[in-house]
Amino acid sequence: EAQVTQNPRYLITVTGKKLTVTCSQNMNHEYMSWYRQDPGLGLRQIYYSMNVEVTDKGDVPEGYKVSRKEKRNFPLILESPSPNQTSLYFCASTRQGANSPLHFGNGTRLTVT
Amino acid sequence: GEDVEQSLFLSVREGDSSVINCTYTDSSSTYLYWYKQEPGAGLQLLTYIFSNMDMKQDQRLTVLLNKKDKHLSLRIADTQTGDSAIYFCAESINGDKVIFGPGTSLSVIP
Repeated sequence: EAQVTQNPRYLITVTGKKLTVTCSQNMNHEYMSWYRQDPGLGLRQIYYSMNVEVTDKGDVPEGYKVSRKEKRNFPLILESPSPNQTSLYFCASTRQGANSPLHFGNGTRLTVT
Repeated sequence: GEDVEQSLFLSVREGDSSVINCTYTDSSSTYLYWYKQEPGAGLQLLTYIFSNMDMKQDQRLTVLLNKKDKHLSLRIADTQTGDSAIYFCAESINGDKVIFGPGTSLSVIP
């Protein structure tokens, strides 16, 4: 089944403790992206990747890192999480950039205390 | 700058039509999308329209695009309780970016 898989679904952590949210897709998509969803703000793009070893900042990249060593994986790294990073995070992929529909994972709800 | 706006809430009676409106600012957008998010789930593509089209119909869904006014609408005919969800309007820009609106929460009253 074609899908985007994120892990974990829920995560509660403390300020400053490094964490990684994994994202994997099995559709051989070139483009992958991370978004955060906050009430009343919709989805805001954090980072995106057009292909392996190519990553670019989105609208809200501060406090986040990403890597794209393989086509299928696009982990999101929070080196020193802070409470303002408490949010619902979505990974998405698409065949060829923003001109084809995004396939979304089921989300990771992160709480930073 | 790039911005997509939607009203945050809409309530309709079961069987009526729902119309969700969206305005966007970037005239260079190539595709405009409607996504649906059900509780606890990710976003799923509902439909999309290419920027050189005025209208697209797909079963109960009708998308209208007014490029001059940068206005997009989604009409759901014969709205059912299963249509209750958050609906996001989104535009693609330059092939590498998708800008989302804040989402419209649709409540269907039985």
